[in-house]
Amino acid sequence: EAQVTQNPRYLITVTGKKLTVTCSQNMNHEYMSWYRQDPGLGLRQIYYSMNVEVTDKGDVPEGYKVSRKEKRNFPLILESPSPNQTSLYFCASGSGSGNTIYFGEGSWLTVV
Amino acid sequence: EDQVTQSPEALRLQEGESSSLNCSYTVSGLRGLFWYRQDPGKGPEFLFTLYSAGEEKEKERLKATLTKKESFLHITAPKPEDSATYLCAVRPGGSYIPTFGRGTSLIVHP
Repeated sequence: EAQVTQNPRYLITVTGKKLTVTCSQNMNHEYMSWYRQDPGLGLRQIYYSMNVEVTDKGDVPEGYKVSRKEKRNFPLILESPSPNQTSLYFCASGSGSGNTIYFGEGSWLTVV
Repeated sequence: EDQVTQSPEALRLQEGESSSLNCSYTVSGLRGLFWYRQDPGKGPEFLFTLYSAGEEKEKERLKATLTKKESFLHITAPKPEDSATYLCAVRPGGSYIPTFGRGTSLIVHP
């Protein structure tokens, strides 16, 4: 079954404590990306990757890091989380140009 | 700046009552317009990609159309299971960063 898997699904953490949200896809997709979804603001892209070792900033990259060492994995790293990073995060993947995108189930992150 | 405006914000229909959702956009060189469905607590589910004005795509009770300024998602004889938030997004030419609208929340009553 085609899947984009994110972990953890739910996390409450404290300001400044580094955390990583993992993302893995089993569809051999070149394109992967991270989004955050906030009430009233919609989905906004954080970072994307077109292939291994190729990453680029999206609309809201500040405070986040990513890496793409393997094709199937695209972790999102918050080096020093702050309360304004409390949000619902989605990982997504797509083939080729990324015009057909499959989203994960989402990760609810609360920073206190 | 690319913009996507979806209307209405919320729509309530009776089962079988057909209607349309609107997505108005401004973008620099449209690379693709996307429709997604999102159920509460779930990730968006891909529905359609449209590339050029005049294009239409259908899937079950849904039909998406595209003009140079807007897209419509027509829902024919909706059922309660069509209840969800429908998201529209555009991707500008030369960019892999899509701009999403805020969505239309659809509720279909039995």
